Amino acid sequence: GNSVTQMEGPVTLSEEAFLTINCTYTATGYPSLFWYVQYPGEGLQLLLKATKADDKGSNKGFEATYRKETTSFHLEKGSVQVSDSAVYFCAQTVMNTGFQKLVFGTGTRLLVSP
Amino acid sequence: DAGVTQSPTHLIKTRGQQVTLRCSPKSGHDTVSWYQQALGQGPQFIFQYYEEEERQRGNFPDRFSGHQFPNYSSELNVNALLLGDSALYLCASSLSPGTEQYFGPGTRLTVT
Repeated sequence: GNSVTQMEGPVTLSEEAFLTINCTYTATGYPSLFWYVQYPGEGLQLLLKATKADDKGSNKGFEATYRKETTSFHLEKGSVQVSDSAVYFCAQTVMNTGFQKLVFGTGTRLLVSP
Repeated sequence: DAGVTQSPTHLIKTRGQQVTLRCSPKSGHDTVSWYQQALGQGPQFIFQYYEEEERQRGNFPDRFSGHQFPNYSSELNVNALLLGDSALYLCASSLSPGTEQYFGPGTRLTVT
């Protein structure tokens, strides 16, 4: 089946530290991969995406590379800020007769202290 | 350009009651999907509507039903509420069935 596995949180970092949140997936076929961010009390915002192997998605200093050989899509940022504190979800698309749904990981909470 | 909107923002219901949640898609979008996000979990796909029909469904019981109107807005109905139905319900719309989904802010349902 199709699933997404994320590293458990919380991830606690000091401001300006390097961030990595691991994400691996299992899939039949070649899904698109996404990172979503959820701030407290809010819905999901798309952070970045990649639609095929070796693509790199990037946004607001965050990056992730679609690695088919390791079935991974790890999220990285070189220097985190307090405002990056949120829950991050890795997701993949699953297509079924032309209709697409998203399968999410369980989320990783990031806490950044000043 | 208004994004995806959902109403109400919060809702408290009692076990056994029925609830209706509403979603207006982003302008120009014709496909609506619903997800349930339990506390501390990732969103789980409930179902997707296109051309006023349910097109695919996740692993949810028949107590969960939906509707899509000619203006593409959608409702999610849950009957015979259980405590376990307490969650954030997210609506997502897309330009067409196989394209990127944009999420609304969600409706937080609490069942007591």
